[in-house]
Formats: sequence, C-alpha cells, structure tokens
Amino acid sequence: GNSVTQMEGPVTLSEEAFLTINCTYTATGYPSLFWYVQYPGEGLQLLLKATKADDKGSNKGFEATYRKETTSFHLEKGSVQVSDSAVYFCALSPMVTGGGNKLTFGTGTQLKVEL
Amino acid sequence: GAVVSQHPSWVICKSGTSVKIECRSLDFQATTMFWYRQFPKQSLMLMATSNEGSKATYEQGVEKDKFLINHASLTLSTLTVTSAHPEDSSFYICSARVRAGTGIYEQYFGPGTRLTVT
Repeated sequence: GNSVTQMEGPVTLSEEAFLTINCTYTATGYPSLFWYVQYPGEGLQLLLKATKADDKGSNKGFEATYRKETTSFHLEKGSVQVSDSAVYFCALSPMVTGGGNKLTFGTGTQLKVEL
Repeated sequence: GAVVSQHPSWVICKSGTSVKIECRSLDFQATTMFWYRQFPKQSLMLMATSNEGSKATYEQGVEKDKFLINHASLTLSTLTVTSAHPEDSSFYICSARVRAGTGIYEQYFGPGTRLTVT
C-alpha cells in the first residue's frame, strides 16, 4: 500500500535559519505529492504540490522537488520566520492529476521558530 | 478561494450520547467530501468518503454504524458519532473536493472539530 514517512519533530530553529523537513514515500505508479501546513488550532492548508517527477512545487518561500529516483519530496526554506511555526504534513495521492482523491499523510513534523 | 467550515469547532459530550458535526463548503459545491480523524501529535487518518446523494464509503476498520455520514446536499456533509465513548475523543477534520481552474481536483480542509467525551 501507499505510505509516507517524514522526519520526526519537533524541529526548533532560530529565525532566518535554513529549514529542511525530509519526506519519503512508497507508492505504486505515479502519485501526486503535497505539503500541507497546520497552524495551531486550525485545519490543514495546502502549501505546495507536485504532480510528476522533477516538478518543483513552491509557495511562500517554501520549495520541494519530486524526486522519483529517491522517492522523496523534501521541504525546504532558505530563511524561516517565527510565523512559520506550525505542523507540516507530507502527503500523497495516487492520482497523477491531483489531490482530489484519497490522501495518505505522513505523521507530521512540528516546526518551532524562535527569535 | 474555496472555504470549508465546520460546526461546532469544539464539543464536549457525555459518554453514551450522540454528537453531530457539520461540514459545509461555503462558496462552492462539492459532490465529494472526506472525513479524517487526527489523534494528538499524530497524522490524519481517512475515515470515509462522503458522496452527495449516495452512501458513504468507509475505510477499513471504521465502524459505519458508529460514525454515520450523511451528504444530503452539495454543500453539506454531516458526521454523527453515535453512542460516543471517551476513546472517540479526537480532532475530526473534513475536506471538500473541488475542481480547480486547471481542471484537476484539489481538497480544501475545514478547521476541524475537537470532540471530548467525558
């Protein structure tokens, strides 16, 4: 079956530090890959996505590249801010065309950014 | 953008009672909605897929008689936790599927409902 593995948190960084949250997946075929962010007390928001190999998703300074050869979709940001403190979820959908179907989530990584 | 609301945002109920949670798509119609459950510091687990006008499809291990789902209209799906017990305490999140301008489908999530059963 499909599965998503992401690094355990919490991750604590100083403001303006570089962020990497690792995510690897197991799936048949060509899944779509997503990063969602959950701020305290809120639901999930789509941060970025990629639907095919070598695609790079980007949003709000965050980036992730779909690497089929390593089955990875690591999230990066060059300079984090306190407002980036949240829980980040890596997810996949078996449909190559988008996330409108069942999503399989990783366990989430809590990020805390301090001044 | 597509907005999904949930009501209530939090609820406390006594063991043995039933609780209904509403999920609404505010500015779009959704033929398909999803219900997830999130345990503390854990990932989201898909419980069921709710289809307007038909029976919900439940994931393996989810009791359909305990978690009743009704998708009566294109903008509303409800989850009723029947005869709730403390182990049902959790964060319940819904999402709605919408077709984006690019033609692909996306999921938009509600803010979640915190259920505590005492």
